[in-house]
Amino acid sequence: AQTVTQSQPEMSVQEAETVTLSCTYDTSESDYYLFWYKQPPSRQMILVIRQEAYKQQNATENRFSVNFQKAAKSFSLKISDSQLGDAAMYFCAYRSTSGTYKYIFGTGTRLKVLA
Amino acid sequence: DVKVTQSSRYLVKRTGEKVFLECVQDMDHENMFWYRQDPGLGLRLIYFSYDVKMKEKGDIPEGYSVSREKKERFSLILESASTNQTSMYLCASSLPFPGTWGAYEQYFGPGTRLTVT
Repeated sequence: AQTVTQSQPEMSVQEAETVTLSCTYDTSESDYYLFWYKQPPSRQMILVIRQEAYKQQNATENRFSVNFQKAAKSFSLKISDSQLGDAAMYFCAYRSTSGTYKYIFGTGTRLKVLA
Repeated sequence: DVKVTQSSRYLVKRTGEKVFLECVQDMDHENMFWYRQDPGLGLRLIYFSYDVKMKEKGDIPEGYSVSREKKERFSLILESASTNQTSMYLCASSLPFPGTWGAYEQYFGPGTRLTVT
Protein backbone atom coordinates (compact mmCIF):
# COMPACT_ATOMS: atom_id res chain seq x y z
CA ALA A 1 0.00 0.00 0.00
CA GLN A 2 1.13 3.50 -0.72
CA THR A 3 2.14 5.81 2.10
CA VAL A 4 3.01 9.50 2.30
CA THR A 5 5.24 10.87 5.04
CA GLN A 6 5.72 14.47 6.08
CA SER A 7 8.35 14.42 8.80
CA GLN A 8 8.15 18.10 9.74
CA PRO A 9 5.03 18.82 11.82
CA GLU A 10 5.91 22.51 11.98
CA MET A 11 8.25 24.90 10.19
CA SER A 12 8.99 28.60 10.50
CA VAL A 13 10.37 31.02 7.96
CA GLN A 14 11.15 34.72 7.97
CA GLU A 15 9.18 36.85 5.57
CA ALA A 16 10.95 37.11 2.19
CA GLU A 17 13.11 34.06 2.91
CA THR A 18 12.93 30.63 1.30
CA VAL A 19 11.66 27.48 2.97
CA THR A 20 11.49 23.85 1.88
CA LEU A 21 8.87 21.40 3.08
CA SER A 22 9.71 17.74 2.76
CA CYS A 23 7.57 14.84 1.63
CA THR A 24 8.49 11.24 0.99
CA TYR A 25 6.27 8.49 -0.29
CA ASP A 26 6.35 4.79 -0.81
CA THR A 27 4.89 3.05 -3.84
CA SER A 28 5.61 0.19 -6.17
CA GLU A 29 3.93 1.94 -9.08
CA SER A 30 5.84 3.68 -11.83
CA ASP A 31 3.24 6.24 -12.83
CA TYR A 32 1.34 8.42 -10.41
CA TYR A 33 0.55 12.01 -9.49
CA LEU A 34 1.79 14.08 -6.60
CA PHE A 35 0.23 17.19 -5.15
CA TRP A 36 0.84 19.87 -2.59
CA TYR A 37 -2.28 21.34 -1.02
CA LYS A 38 -2.45 24.43 1.19
CA GLN A 39 -4.96 24.84 3.98
CA PRO A 40 -5.00 28.41 5.37
CA PRO A 41 -6.52 29.11 8.78
CA SER A 42 -9.92 29.63 7.09
CA ARG A 43 -9.75 25.89 6.28
CA GLN A 44 -10.50 25.89 2.54
CA MET A 45 -7.93 23.53 1.08
CA ILE A 46 -6.52 24.62 -2.27
CA LEU A 47 -4.12 23.05 -4.73
CA VAL A 48 -0.67 24.65 -4.78
CA ILE A 49 1.19 22.54 -7.30
CA ARG A 50 1.10 19.14 -8.96
CA GLN A 51 3.57 16.81 -10.61
CA GLU A 52 3.21 13.85 -12.95
CA ALA A 53 5.67 11.11 -12.11
CA TYR A 54 6.67 10.46 -15.71
CA LYS A 55 7.78 14.07 -16.15
CA GLN A 56 11.36 14.65 -15.09
CA GLN A 57 11.00 18.41 -15.12
CA ASN A 58 10.10 19.86 -11.77
CA ALA A 59 6.80 21.74 -11.63
CA THR A 60 6.81 25.45 -10.87
CA GLU A 61 3.98 27.82 -10.03
CA ASN A 62 5.20 31.37 -9.42
CA ARG A 63 6.99 31.33 -6.03
CA PHE A 64 6.26 27.64 -5.50
CA SER A 65 8.41 24.89 -6.97
CA VAL A 66 9.02 21.25 -6.28
CA ASN A 67 12.09 19.06 -6.16
CA PHE A 68 10.87 15.72 -7.45
CA GLN A 69 13.33 12.88 -6.97
CA LYS A 70 11.59 9.78 -8.31
CA ALA A 71 14.28 7.27 -7.41
CA ALA A 72 14.44 8.58 -3.86
CA LYS A 73 10.63 8.88 -3.72
CA SER A 74 10.92 12.43 -2.52
CA PHE A 75 8.69 15.39 -3.38
CA SER A 76 9.66 18.56 -1.54
CA LEU A 77 8.01 21.97 -1.88
CA LYS A 78 10.09 25.12 -2.02
CA ILE A 79 8.46 28.45 -1.27
CA SER A 80 10.54 31.44 -2.33
CA ASP A 81 10.13 35.01 -1.08
CA SER A 82 7.79 33.82 1.68
CA GLN A 83 4.82 36.03 2.42
CA LEU A 84 2.56 36.28 5.45
CA GLY A 85 -0.23 34.78 3.37
CA ASP A 86 1.78 31.59 2.94
CA ALA A 87 1.14 30.69 6.58
CA ALA A 88 -0.96 27.54 6.48
CA MET A 89 -1.01 23.77 6.80
CA TYR A 90 0.56 22.11 3.80
CA PHE A 91 -0.39 18.59 2.79
CA CYS A 92 1.45 16.37 0.38
CA ALA A 93 -0.76 13.91 -1.50
CA TYR A 94 -0.32 10.94 -3.82
CA ARG A 95 -2.68 9.54 -6.38
CA SER A 96 -2.23 6.45 -8.48
CA THR A 97 -3.02 6.49 -12.20
CA SER A 98 -4.68 3.11 -11.86
CA GLY A 99 -8.39 2.65 -11.33
CA THR A 100 -8.29 3.32 -7.62
CA TYR A 101 -9.94 6.54 -6.55
CA LYS A 102 -7.90 7.02 -3.43
CA TYR A 103 -5.73 9.97 -2.66
CA ILE A 104 -3.16 9.33 0.04
CA PHE A 105 -2.42 12.36 2.19
CA GLY A 106 0.48 13.04 4.51
CA THR A 107 -0.07 14.30 8.04
CA GLY A 108 0.70 17.89 7.12
CA THR A 109 3.28 20.56 7.94
CA ARG A 110 2.22 23.77 9.64
CA LEU A 111 4.16 26.69 8.20
CA LYS A 112 4.56 29.87 10.22
CA VAL A 113 5.78 33.02 8.53
CA LEU A 114 7.51 35.49 10.80
CA ALA A 115 7.33 39.21 10.07
CA ASP B 1 -14.27 28.59 -10.38
CA VAL B 2 -15.33 25.35 -8.80
CA LYS B 3 -17.26 25.91 -5.65
CA VAL B 4 -17.80 23.31 -2.96
CA THR B 5 -19.97 24.38 -0.06
CA GLN B 6 -20.76 22.68 3.22
CA SER B 7 -23.92 23.35 5.17
CA SER B 8 -22.30 24.39 8.44
CA ARG B 9 -18.89 25.67 9.51
CA TYR B 10 -19.45 24.71 13.14
CA LEU B 11 -21.83 22.17 14.63
CA VAL B 12 -22.39 21.01 18.19
CA LYS B 13 -24.39 17.83 18.78
CA ARG B 14 -25.12 15.55 21.67
CA THR B 15 -24.08 11.92 21.97
CA GLY B 16 -26.60 9.64 20.30
CA GLU B 17 -28.04 12.27 17.96
CA LYS B 18 -28.34 11.62 14.24
CA VAL B 19 -26.22 14.17 12.40
CA PHE B 20 -26.37 15.22 8.76
CA LEU B 21 -23.50 17.01 7.05
CA GLU B 22 -24.33 18.37 3.63
CA CYS B 23 -21.99 19.11 0.75
CA VAL B 24 -22.88 20.73 -2.56
CA GLN B 25 -20.67 21.30 -5.60
CA ASP B 26 -21.54 23.42 -8.62
CA MET B 27 -19.22 22.04 -11.29
CA ASP B 28 -21.07 18.89 -12.31
CA HIS B 29 -18.33 16.68 -10.87
CA GLU B 30 -18.96 12.96 -10.84
CA ASN B 31 -16.71 12.18 -7.89
CA MET B 32 -17.34 13.36 -4.37
CA PHE B 33 -15.50 12.52 -1.15
CA TRP B 34 -15.89 12.86 2.59
CA TYR B 35 -12.75 13.11 4.70
CA ARG B 36 -12.11 13.43 8.37
CA GLN B 37 -9.20 15.63 9.46
CA ASP B 38 -7.56 15.19 12.85
CA PRO B 39 -4.28 16.71 14.09
CA GLY B 40 -1.33 14.46 13.40
CA LEU B 41 -3.41 12.09 11.29
CA GLY B 42 -3.89 14.12 8.13
CA LEU B 43 -6.95 13.45 5.99
CA ARG B 44 -8.63 10.09 6.19
CA LEU B 45 -11.22 9.01 3.65
CA ILE B 46 -14.61 8.07 5.06
CA TYR B 47 -16.65 7.50 1.90
CA PHE B 48 -16.43 8.14 -1.81
CA SER B 49 -19.13 8.44 -4.47
CA TYR B 50 -18.47 8.20 -8.20
CA ASP B 51 -22.05 8.71 -9.39
CA VAL B 52 -25.57 9.29 -8.16
CA LYS B 53 -26.58 6.56 -5.72
CA MET B 54 -23.12 4.97 -6.02
CA LYS B 55 -20.78 4.87 -3.05
CA GLU B 56 -17.74 3.08 -1.77
CA LYS B 57 -16.29 2.79 1.70
CA GLY B 58 -13.06 4.54 2.43
CA ASP B 59 -10.58 3.82 5.19
CA ILE B 60 -12.76 4.68 8.20
CA PRO B 61 -16.45 4.14 7.33
CA GLU B 62 -17.52 2.73 10.70
CA GLY B 63 -20.21 4.84 12.33
CA TYR B 64 -20.93 6.77 9.13
CA SER B 65 -23.18 6.43 6.12
CA VAL B 66 -23.66 8.58 3.03
CA SER B 67 -26.35 9.56 0.59
CA ARG B 68 -26.11 10.85 -2.95
CA GLU B 69 -29.53 11.34 -4.48
CA LYS B 70 -28.45 14.17 -6.79
CA LYS B 71 -25.20 14.64 -8.59
CA GLU B 72 -24.34 17.91 -6.92
CA ARG B 73 -25.10 16.86 -3.34
CA PHE B 74 -23.30 14.38 -1.11
CA SER B 75 -24.42 13.93 2.48
CA LEU B 76 -22.55 12.38 5.37
CA ILE B 77 -24.67 10.86 8.11
CA LEU B 78 -23.63 10.01 11.62
CA GLU B 79 -26.30 7.54 12.66
CA SER B 80 -25.64 7.91 16.39
CA ALA B 81 -23.03 10.53 17.14
CA SER B 82 -20.29 9.67 19.60
CA THR B 83 -17.61 11.80 21.22
CA ASN B 84 -14.87 10.11 19.17
CA GLN B 85 -16.49 11.56 16.06
CA THR B 86 -15.61 15.07 17.18
CA SER B 87 -13.48 16.28 14.29
CA MET B 88 -13.17 18.47 11.20
CA TYR B 89 -15.04 17.05 8.23
CA LEU B 90 -14.01 17.99 4.70
CA CYS B 91 -15.94 17.40 1.53
CA ALA B 92 -14.24 17.33 -1.87
CA SER B 93 -15.16 16.79 -5.49
CA SER B 94 -13.35 16.00 -8.72
CA LEU B 95 -13.89 14.99 -12.31
CA PRO B 96 -14.06 11.26 -13.07
CA PHE B 97 -11.01 9.10 -13.58
CA PRO B 98 -9.37 8.31 -15.79
CA GLY B 99 -9.60 11.52 -17.66
CA THR B 100 -7.70 14.61 -18.46
CA TRP B 101 -4.90 15.72 -16.22
CA GLY B 102 -7.18 18.13 -14.46
CA ALA B 103 -9.41 15.26 -13.45
CA TYR B 104 -6.99 14.31 -10.74
CA GLU B 105 -7.30 17.53 -8.78
CA GLN B 106 -9.68 17.58 -5.83
CA TYR B 107 -11.64 20.69 -4.89
CA PHE B 108 -12.42 21.08 -1.22
CA GLY B 109 -15.17 22.68 0.79
CA PRO B 110 -14.43 24.93 3.79
CA GLY B 111 -15.00 22.13 6.29
CA THR B 112 -17.40 21.51 9.16
CA ARG B 113 -16.02 21.39 12.66
CA LEU B 114 -18.24 18.99 14.55
CA THR B 115 -18.21 18.75 18.32
CA VAL B 116 -20.09 15.90 19.98
CA THR B 117 -20.71 16.35 23.69
